[in-house]
Amino acid sequence: SQELEQSPQSLIVQEGKNLTINCTSSKTLYGLYWYKQKYGEGLIFLMMLQKGGEEKSHEKITAKLDEKKQQSSLHITASQPSHAGIYLCGADSQISNFGNEKLTFGTGTRLTIIP
Amino acid sequence: DAGITQSPRYKITETGRQVTLMCHQTWSHSYMFWYRQDLGHGLRLIYYSAAADITDKGEVPDGYVVSRSKTENFPLTLESATRSQTSVYFCASIQGEDTGELFFGEGSRLTVL
Repeated sequence: SQELEQSPQSLIVQEGKNLTINCTSSKTLYGLYWYKQKYGEGLIFLMMLQKGGEEKSHEKITAKLDEKKQQSSLHITASQPSHAGIYLCGADSQISNFGNEKLTFGTGTRLTIIP
Repeated sequence: DAGITQSPRYKITETGRQVTLMCHQTWSHSYMFWYRQDLGHGLRLIYYSAAADITDKGEVPDGYVVSRSKTENFPLTLESATRSQTSVYFCASIQGEDTGELFFGEGSRLTVL
């Protein structure tokens, strides 16, 4: 089965600093999804990457999927308190016509932003 | 209001009792899912459903039962709760076949004493 390892498990960053979260898969990724979870709430979809080398940005968050499609990184520029939360990567391990109905998730990275 | 809602949000029960967690979505999404979130394990898929009357097991289905008689509802039942089922449960649905975007409920925190 697909296994996703996220690093680091937790991260404390001073407001305004940049940071990177990594997601490494044990298998080739056919779809990689990034979600954010605020403490005590459900997950919110951030971005989806499908092609090797693909890069997407939303506001100050950029996600990349490497060429070999086994690793993704999430980069936050000039972090803000609103970026605090738990970031989870999710992945498809097989080609599917129906989106991510069998997503496997990583264990998450807990991000804390300090003033 | 449109969206995906879970109930109850918080539940405390005792070992051996039956518990049902409800999930309701107003979008008529075909796919619905139940995940549990535990420290050190992340999110793990319990059951999912591709449509009404179609359900299938996920990674950790033991001890759980689901049904989907209507597209909008996907209840999760713990037939005889155990302490190991203490967790936060999330229901999710997917809008379409190609969007890749799961919509999650706010979670149901279950404690089994």
